[in-house]
Amino acid sequence: GNSVTQMEGPVTLSEEAFLTINCTYTATGYPSLFWYVQYPGEGLQLLLKATKADDKGSNKGFEATYRKETTSFHLEKGSVQVSDSAVYFCALSVSYSGGGADGLTFGKGTHLIIQP
Amino acid sequence: GAGVSQSPSNKVTEKGKDVELRCDPISGHTALYWYRQSLGQGLEFLIYFQGNSAPDKSGLPSDRFSAERTGGSVSTLTIQRTQQEDSAVYLCASSLARAGNSPLHFGNGTRLTVT
Repeated sequence: GNSVTQMEGPVTLSEEAFLTINCTYTATGYPSLFWYVQYPGEGLQLLLKATKADDKGSNKGFEATYRKETTSFHLEKGSVQVSDSAVYFCALSVSYSGGGADGLTFGKGTHLIIQP
Repeated sequence: GAGVSQSPSNKVTEKGKDVELRCDPISGHTALYWYRQSLGQGLEFLIYFQGNSAPDKSGLPSDRFSAERTGGSVSTLTIQRTQQEDSAVYLCASSLARAGNSPLHFGNGTRLTVT
């Protein structure tokens, strides 16, 4: 089956620190990979995605590279801000050519806290 | 509206009662998903609707859970004879096409508390 494993939180950093949130996956087939973010009091929203090996997704200073050899999609940001405090979810989707459900499989989420 | 709308935003109910949760997807989105978000458990897939096809109910945790989507738009998730372990945030999402090809747009969820 499909599964996503991401580092447990909370992760607490100071402003301007370097961020890495690890994510690894197992999948039947060739997945697309995503990071979603949930800001306090809001719904989940797509942060970035990558659909094939070696692709790099980027948005709002965040980056993640699709590493097929290590089945990983780690999220990084060079200098975090207080406004980045949120819960981050790694997810994958596998499309089945024969039909069937192909929704997202999510990790458990990593709560990121940035202190000023 | 511009986004996915869910109602109610909060629901408190007594154990054993039935509840209905509503989701209004973004207009034109053919795919609709229900997820459950429990503390420390991440997002659990419940059910998926794609156009007029039969829904994928493989994630529903028990036969007390059911969902329908009328006219390919609004969806209702029904939980019968609620139990305390049903307490969670229930999230609805919609997308233009299959999740691998277009992003999911989530509502703010319904927080269900079963007392």
